[in-house]
Amino acid sequence: DSGVTQTPKHLITATGQRVTLRCSPRSGDLSVYWYQQSLDQGLQFLIQYYNGEERAKGNILERFSAQQFPDLHSELNLSSLELGDSALYFCASSVEVWDGERNEQFFGPGTRLTVL
Amino acid sequence: LAKTTQPISMDSYEGQEVNITCSHNNIATNDYITWYQQFPSQGPRFIIQGYKTKVTNEVASLFIPADRKSSTLSLPRVSLSDTAVYYCLVGRTGGGNKLTFGTGTQLKVEL
Repeated sequence: DSGVTQTPKHLITATGQRVTLRCSPRSGDLSVYWYQQSLDQGLQFLIQYYNGEERAKGNILERFSAQQFPDLHSELNLSSLELGDSALYFCASSVEVWDGERNEQFFGPGTRLTVL
Repeated sequence: LAKTTQPISMDSYEGQEVNITCSHNNIATNDYITWYQQFPSQGPRFIIQGYKTKVTNEVASLFIPADRKSSTLSLPRVSLSDTAVYYCLVGRTGGGNKLTFGTGTQLKVEL
């Protein structure tokens, strides 16, 4: 158990719909990352928040957005869903200290999204 | 943005040393190299991280040459439970930097 929780575990929805994925980081971690994992694209970094502020942006589509709340939990919003958005979405958290050799990200169990 | 490539798969026997290489020709000066292990239907799990030269911890070693354009994860004496997908992650966050996962290497360990 990494200490990172994600809900829901599975989500099945239709094209064109909007969904929200939720992540609670480990206690004390200020940084939250979102990743998408699909068979054809592998693990893709989407976005990172640190203490409520956007810190880094990866291959996140304009239809997707995220935020981190004052209690440090984060939500990833996916809208106008397409079949190709079907994937595993992982959240990770870390203390975000790059002064050594162990800025470890702790990954949650993931949310499996299926778009029909 | 660093592009990272890895061998698609590797096979080994229990007790052998396994070396998995990641190529990252476009690594930036302040990028770190991190390796993760992933089992089916689970999130990746941290193995080791380094910036240059050699890093060793209780489960693995990481070798990074001077030009930092590649890195090698070394797993000593693998066991069946090491069968998993291994990913290298290049980058760091902050200041607009990004993270790039490698393509992943499926390691299969047999008796």
